[in-house]
Amino acid sequence: TQLLEQSPQFLSIQEGENLTVYCNSSSVFSSLQWYRQEPGEGPVLLVTVVTGGEVKKLKRLTFQFGDARKDSSLHITAAQPGDTGLYLCAGVMSTNKLIFGTGTLLAVQP
Amino acid sequence: NAGVTQTPKFQVLKTGQSMTLQCAQDMNHEYMSWYRQDPGMGLRLIHYSVGAGITDQGEVPNGYNVSRSTTEDFPLRLLSAAPSQTSVYFCASSRSGGYGWHEQYFGPGTRLTVT
Repeated sequence: TQLLEQSPQFLSIQEGENLTVYCNSSSVFSSLQWYRQEPGEGPVLLVTVVTGGEVKKLKRLTFQFGDARKDSSLHITAAQPGDTGLYLCAGVMSTNKLIFGTGTLLAVQP
Repeated sequence: NAGVTQTPKFQVLKTGQSMTLQCAQDMNHEYMSWYRQDPGMGLRLIHYSVGAGITDQGEVPNGYNVSRSTTEDFPLRLLSAAPSQTSVYFCASSRSGGYGWHEQYFGPGTRLTVT
């Protein structure tokens, strides 16, 4: 059983479209991280959110941590082919374990 | 700096064989972790360590052993390989402090096939 569920699992869109990826759990996290992974490489950190309700922006990417610190979302505006990759959320549990989500594979077509 | 290094990059084992995946980091990070990545499952935590001499189990620890005798090294041992352990294995390290886990720096991965 995955503690962190991401949706959608796969997403194929055209360049210029907007999209939102969701990361949901029934557990409370002390902080939550978002990573992007390219084929054949390890994940690379995009952002960390710590406070319930926190919103962080990274160029065209907007990250939000839920008020109850059980969920998070990643919104991409005007997606570009360079955004293609596997997006992973990861939450720090009360046991101090870092648990990754199931992942969302994004393909942006030119 | 080399960051996080993993060896080997590829490995094929027969069922029942044992082996050790090596992981080393040169960033003086306290936290180190091992994950396996399977299609549709994201990354699942196998074992982790918050400092030399301290290890703990993650989500899927069965069939794997770890030890942390130095800050730099965190080897993962497969005791008796099974086809279910076919996966891509990632080692990661991070500094500690504040809310516990900071940015994870990942190695390039080891692709393991068990026949």
